[in-house]
Amino acid sequence: SQKIEQNSEALNIQEGKTATLTCNYTNYSPAYLQWYRQDPGRGPVFLLLIRENEKEKRKERLKVTFDTTLKQSLFHITASQPADSATYLCAPYILTGGGNKLTFGTGTQLKVEL
Amino acid sequence: EPEVTQTPSHQVTQMGQEVILRCVPISNHLYFYWYRQILGQKVEFLVSFYNNEISEKSEIFDDQFSVERPDGSNFTLKIRSTKLEDSAMYFCASLPSAGVQETQYFGPGTRLLVL
Repeated sequence: SQKIEQNSEALNIQEGKTATLTCNYTNYSPAYLQWYRQDPGRGPVFLLLIRENEKEKRKERLKVTFDTTLKQSLFHITASQPADSATYLCAPYILTGGGNKLTFGTGTQLKVEL
Repeated sequence: EPEVTQTPSHQVTQMGQEVILRCVPISNHLYFYWYRQILGQKVEFLVSFYNNEISEKSEIFDDQFSVERPDGSNFTLKIRSTKLEDSAMYFCASLPSAGVQETQYFGPGTRLLVL
């Protein structure tokens, strides 16, 4: 069956460092992969989308890589700030021609400390 | 910036009661979704809705659940006879079109507690 795995343990880093979060998927060949941010008690907020033919995508302090051979995406936040503390969700997406549903990983909680 | 809104923000109900969760998607969006998140677990897809009909539903979305777009703005999720295990955050989302570059916009959620 299809599986999406993200580090279940919280990631604690110091302000100013680079945070790297991992998303591994199995039994999937996603056409693209999205990353979302979720704050406690709130809905997911879209951050970045990367397609299968793209190796890397950047947006301000965020960078996403997509390795279809390793079946892995890495999400980097450079110069991290306490305001980056949140849970980050990955959602590999398969083009089914259906309703564009998102299938999320469990998310990794990031805590950026002063 | 346009946003998805949901009401109520919190709902407490007794087991066996019917609940209706309401959503107002972004006005020019065409696809609508419900997801749920049980406390401490991942966000799970329930149902997608397009052109006034369900386009896909998950195993969770059984006969106790129904969705409706009663007018041009609201999108509702009804749970006919709530169970304890229905306690969760319910998120509505909408999408402008089915294009690859499009992203889903999520509402703030309704926290449902079934006693």
